[in-house]
Amino acid sequence: GIQVEQSPPDLILQEGANSTLRCNFSDSVNNLQWFHQNPWGQLINLFYIPSGTKQNGRLSATTVATERYSLLYISSSQTTDSGVYFCAVPWTGTASKLTFGTGTRLQVTL
Amino acid sequence: GAVVSQHPSRVICKSGTSVKIECRSLDFQATTMFWYRQFPKQSLMLMATSNEGSKATYEQGVEKDKFLINHASLTLSTLTVTSAHPEDSSFYICSAGGQGRHEQFFGPGTRLTVL
Repeated sequence: GIQVEQSPPDLILQEGANSTLRCNFSDSVNNLQWFHQNPWGQLINLFYIPSGTKQNGRLSATTVATERYSLLYISSSQTTDSGVYFCAVPWTGTASKLTFGTGTRLQVTL
Repeated sequence: GAVVSQHPSRVICKSGTSVKIECRSLDFQATTMFWYRQFPKQSLMLMATSNEGSKATYEQGVEKDKFLINHASLTLSTLTVTSAHPEDSSFYICSAGGQGRHEQFFGPGTRLTVL
């Protein structure tokens, strides 16, 4: 099946810093989602981004499907950004089942 | 975005008992719901896909007789962990999709601890 790797696995930032998280996938995909899992376990939808670039406040995401990667940018980080960030792509040959990436654990400190 | 609820949020049970977890889509009709399991500091692993009115399909390695899934309506899917054992302790998360939505929306999760 499709492999989804995220980097870095762990990241510690001081409040106000910017960061870029990367998601690499091993096969062609027709959609990709980014999620933030907060410390209580809730997965929050950040972006549905099959291709191109989207922005939502301090967050933006870019997917380059032809090169099999996606990037999540966090600017002016805040302590509430702490948690785990996952990207997820559909299984090869399906439109709905998701394979989750390995995750990036982010800690934002004061 | 769409809202998905899960109940209970946390459950502690004795080994050998059964536990039911409910997943509801509150503001849309979910033709498909998914059940995931997440162990500490790991990613989410898909357990099964639940389609309204039909039998669930289980992923390789998931025992269908142990994890019973019912999707009786377009807003409710249930996961029953039968004869639970300590190794079933985990964080169980449901998601919902359908009605032309390509995205999946996730419930808040249920933390199961089996003593």
